[in-house]
Amino acid sequence: SQELEQSPQSLIVQEGKNLTINCTSSKTLYGLYWYKQKYGEGLIFLMMLQKGGEEKSHEKITAKLDEKKQQSSLHITASQPSHAGIYLCGAVVMEYGNKLVFGAGTILRVKS
Amino acid sequence: NAGVTQTPKFRVLKTGQSMTLLCAQDMNHEYMYWYRQDPGMGLRLIHYSVGEGTTAKGEVPDGYNVSRLKKQNFLLGLESAAPSQTSVYFCASSYGTSGAGYTQYFGPGTRLTVL
Repeated sequence: SQELEQSPQSLIVQEGKNLTINCTSSKTLYGLYWYKQKYGEGLIFLMMLQKGGEEKSHEKITAKLDEKKQQSSLHITASQPSHAGIYLCGAVVMEYGNKLVFGAGTILRVKS
Repeated sequence: NAGVTQTPKFRVLKTGQSMTLLCAQDMNHEYMYWYRQDPGMGLRLIHYSVGEGTTAKGEVPDGYNVSRLKKQNFLLGLESAAPSQTSVYFCASSYGTSGAGYTQYFGPGTRLTVL
């Protein structure tokens, strides 16, 4: 969606390195969902953020929603081959009602 | 719990042919969605349903029809397939709206090629 910009589009990291993926909107986000997709498979829910400044973690993945609620970041610590895949952000933007609009995704490859 | 299932997994059609994609969920969710995923464009909403017997248009509804005759099933139909409908189709379901904090759960996808 043009409403959401994900960066970078793709990245390759060495196993053990940290990385960050960003999801930026020109409009206020009323909910931000992070999903992971493996090639040829469906989307797996990772985390959901609603409040400005909110931060959630699961295993080695941390997601934050900035105070102004227009950008979210997904940070992976000590990356592993199992982290490889496509990361998508989906956002609730008031202009689109209660539906999710998705970014184009970030392709992550982890070299071992 | 199977979650969200989709059939078929793969399909090849010729231009002008018709087909129906089936989505089933066993989580008693009210909301169901059909998306298409194309390279570089993320997921785009085709149609959605807020309950049995209801359907509504999403962002890219042209060329598709849907039906929700049973709460657990959501069908996506292509009456006359076109090469532009070559895509990966995902079904999702949720208990409530995304704006209210309800997560959408996705099926494994159907890879459709229209020749």
